[in-house]
Amino acid sequence: QTVVTQEPSFSVSPGGTVTLTCGLSSGSVSTSYYSSWYQQTPGQAPRTLIYNTNTRSSGVPDRFSGSILGNKAALTITGAQADDESDYYCVLYMGSGIWVFGGGTKLTVL
Amino acid sequence: EVQLVESGGGLVQPGGSLRLSCVASGSTFSSYNMNWVRQAPGKGLEWVSYISSSSSTINYADSVKGRFTMSRDNAKNSLYLQMNSLRAEDTAVYYCVRVVWSGYFRFDPWGQGTLVTVSS
Repeated sequence: QTVVTQEPSFSVSPGGTVTLTCGLSSGSVSTSYYSSWYQQTPGQAPRTLIYNTNTRSSGVPDRFSGSILGNKAALTITGAQADDESDYYCVLYMGSGIWVFGGGTKLTVL
Repeated sequence: EVQLVESGGGLVQPGGSLRLSCVASGSTFSSYNMNWVRQAPGKGLEWVSYISSSSSTINYADSVKGRFTMSRDNAKNSLYLQMNSLRAEDTAVYYCVRVVWSGYFRFDPWGQGTLVTVSS
C-alpha cells in the first residue's frame, strides 16, 4: 500500500522561509504524480494552493511555490506570515482515478 | 462560479447506512469529474472515491471498497455516496470536490463538508 509522507509539524519565524515536503514510502515523487498542495485552517474546507507540481491556484500569493526537490514534492513559503499558520496537505495522483493524501504538516509561525 | 453543497450527514449506529448528497450549481455538472474526500476528527484528509463525468469510471479507497457506492444524477446536478456497514472509523467530515482535468488534475472547488458520526 502506497504511503505519502509529510513532516508532522514544522515551525517558522515570521518573515522566514520554510519548505514542506511530500514523499513516497517507496520510490520518488516526480512530475508524473501531479502533486498538489492544500491549506486548511480549523473548521474550514481545504483551500487549493498549488497544483500540477508548481502552478499556483488563482488568488494564491506568490510567496507560495511548488517544486520537486530531490525525490520529493515540495511546498516553499517565502516570507511567512502569521496567517500562514495552518495545516498543509499534499496529494499525489496514482493513476486510473486514484489519489493518496499525505498525513499533513501542522505549520506554526512564531 | 461552481459551488458544491453537501448534505445527508448525521448520527448513525455501527452497521447502519447513510446516503450523502452533493448538489452542484451551474449548468455543466454533467462534464464534471468528482471526488469524495473525508477527514476524521483531528486527522488528515483521506481520498474516498472518484467518479468520472459519465460514471464510466468509479474508484474507491481500499478502506471503503465493498461498503460505499458512489453515483451521480447529472439531470439533478447531484452526486451521491451510499455508505453501508458503517464503522466507527468512518466518522468524519465528508467533502465533495470537483476534479478538473487539463492534462493534470486540480481539486476545485471543495464543498463545505457534512459530518457523519458512527456511534452507538
